[in-house]
Amino acid sequence: DGGITQSPKYLFRKEGQNVTLSCEQNLNHDAMYWYRQDPGQGLRLIYYSQIVNDFQKGDIAEGYSVSREKKESFPLTVTSAQKNPTAFYLCASSIVWGTEQETQYFGPGTRLLVL
Amino acid sequence: AQSVTQLGSHVSVSEGALVLLRCNYSSSVPPYLFWYVQYPNQGLQLLLKYTTGATLVKGINGFEAEFKKSETSFHLTKPSAHMSDAAEYFCAVKTGGFKTIFGAGTRLFVKA
Repeated sequence: DGGITQSPKYLFRKEGQNVTLSCEQNLNHDAMYWYRQDPGQGLRLIYYSQIVNDFQKGDIAEGYSVSREKKESFPLTVTSAQKNPTAFYLCASSIVWGTEQETQYFGPGTRLLVL
Repeated sequence: AQSVTQLGSHVSVSEGALVLLRCNYSSSVPPYLFWYVQYPNQGLQLLLKYTTGATLVKGINGFEAEFKKSETSFHLTKPSAHMSDAAEYFCAVKTGGFKTIFGAGTRLFVKA
């Protein structure tokens, strides 16, 4: 079955620690996205990637970093510079960027908690 | 700039009653509009989308939405609520090549 997988389901971060959230898709999609979800605020875009080896900052990129070395993988690192990282993180992908076919398909999410 | 407003952070209906979740958008160009559903601790799943053509869009699980340009609205409806419809619903708007903007979400409660 094609889809998006995110791991781990739950992640605990100690103060000052960098942590990496995994996102893998086997849908052969070019575009991938990372969102942060906080209660009552909907989804906010952290980073997006239109194609391999390219990515752009979204609305709330500070304290986060990404890489896109392979088409199927788009890991997100939450750095120690992100002072309020507790949230639900959603990875998504779409066939191409910027067209009407851009239905985004979402992974199951990773909940990040700070110890 | 694009924006999405979902009226009501919580909506409660009885099982079998009409479901109406409201969404208004702001866009300077013809928008693409989406409704997604999220069950607890899960990702978002597409319910339906409007791109062009027929303004009444049918989606999965008996939901439908109507694009009304004059009212800048894209309300989601279902004639008869089921307990399994209890979830959070997100309206989203996209114009051309720009990013997708999501509303804050409406949590639907279904009473037995």
